[in-house]
Amino acid sequence: QKEVEQNSGPLSVPEGAIASLNCTYSDRVSQSFFWYRQYSGKSPELIMSIYSNGDKEDGRFTAQLNKASQYVSLLIRDSQPSDSATYLCAVRRAAGNKLTFGGGTRVLVKP
Amino acid sequence: GAVVSQHPSRVICKSGTSVKIECRSLDFQATTMFWYRQFPKQSLMLMATSNEGSKATYEQGVEKDKFLINHASLTLSTLTVTSAHPEDSSFYICSARAPRGLQETQYFGPGTRLLVL
Repeated sequence: QKEVEQNSGPLSVPEGAIASLNCTYSDRVSQSFFWYRQYSGKSPELIMSIYSNGDKEDGRFTAQLNKASQYVSLLIRDSQPSDSATYLCAVRRAAGNKLTFGGGTRVLVKP
Repeated sequence: GAVVSQHPSRVICKSGTSVKIECRSLDFQATTMFWYRQFPKQSLMLMATSNEGSKATYEQGVEKDKFLINHASLTLSTLTVTSAHPEDSSFYICSARAPRGLQETQYFGPGTRLLVL
């Protein structure tokens, strides 16, 4: 079992719709969770971080964390073609530890 | 957000030569930097963790004598690919950790695309 799992996709979403991405992790004591966006040929860019259970909203992005169920999700509202990218989920056990990345979910927003 | 730069952005070299890649944190001090490699259509692979003033910690399967890492200051880490071969052609990305206690965040450089002929 991989430490951090994501559906590789592609997740095809019509423009204006909500894209829903899921990520599960195996290490129960993980404390910090991150979502990165990576455009093709570019390096990852941090878009969200979440540390406690519940929802965290930032613009069109909402991260949801459920530590009991060991999953973290990312919602992209009003999806735009420019949101087409690979989204990487990353998990960290504690401050000072390295990030563990999932394989990424490719999102394709169609006009 | 914090800014991390990498140089060069792209390099082409002949097989057998060495290539040095620089990673700089521009607006914060990074006691820890990370080096990743990414092959086409694959996920990030952590190669090593670079700590300022000490030896790097390499992931399993990464040759420390081939991928030399130096983290001489709080804003600069270098990765040298020694005796590069075509199979070393990849996208190399560094990342710097900005210390903020529990909520410390890791920021990525723009990456260096290496092509070994």
